[in-house]
Amino acid sequence: DTAVSQTPKYLVTQMGNDKSIKCEQNLGHDTMYWYKQDSKKFLKIMFSYNNKELIINETVPNRFSPKSPDKAHLNLHINSLELGDSAVYFCATAGAQETQYFGPGTRLLVL
Amino acid sequence: AQTVTQSQPEMSVQEAETVTLSCTYDTSENNYYLFWYKQPPSRQMILVIRQEAYKQQNATENRFSVNFQKAAKSFSLKISDSQLGDTAMYFCAFITPFSGGSNYKLTFGKGTLLTVNP
Repeated sequence: DTAVSQTPKYLVTQMGNDKSIKCEQNLGHDTMYWYKQDSKKFLKIMFSYNNKELIINETVPNRFSPKSPDKAHLNLHINSLELGDSAVYFCATAGAQETQYFGPGTRLLVL
Repeated sequence: AQTVTQSQPEMSVQEAETVTLSCTYDTSENNYYLFWYKQPPSRQMILVIRQEAYKQQNATENRFSVNFQKAAKSFSLKISDSQLGDTAMYFCAFITPFSGGSNYKLTFGKGTLLTVNP
């Protein structure tokens, strides 16, 4: 079983559209994250949730709205997509000794 | 602000040789965890090795080992007997779990692209 899964793996869409990326973990961890990896491979945290509660919001535009329906899921909804949103988005969970386990990533391309 | 610096954007090594990737970081915290993650072309983020700051002994995982110098805030990764499958982007990262709030997050360096040549 995949520990952290994301869907879809690839997402190509037009500017102005709304899209969602889903993340699910079966590790039983309380904390989940969304990271953005830009074209230069730089990884930066966007959001952190602990047991469905928002802990970190790193000055992300409010077009991005995370939603955690339960401890095992953290979804990312993006409104009015812009060209600059093109990136790879990673979901992650935090386990023992603060080790983070990453999903496979979702490559988003906005045309 | 907490920062991680990887001063080598790219490195290459011959198969079976040893290579060291450098990483320095800045934090005012005394307790934290340090990590090296590997990202091969498949883009999956894979944990390579972890070090607790309160442990003086350097972590080792098979061919991977670290040189942790707490006073110098340095955390380099040594890869012995390099293999073609080690070709990847390597990220150094740390987290300060005890400061809480907005600091409870992984801070990453910009990465070092390692190419292992046959």
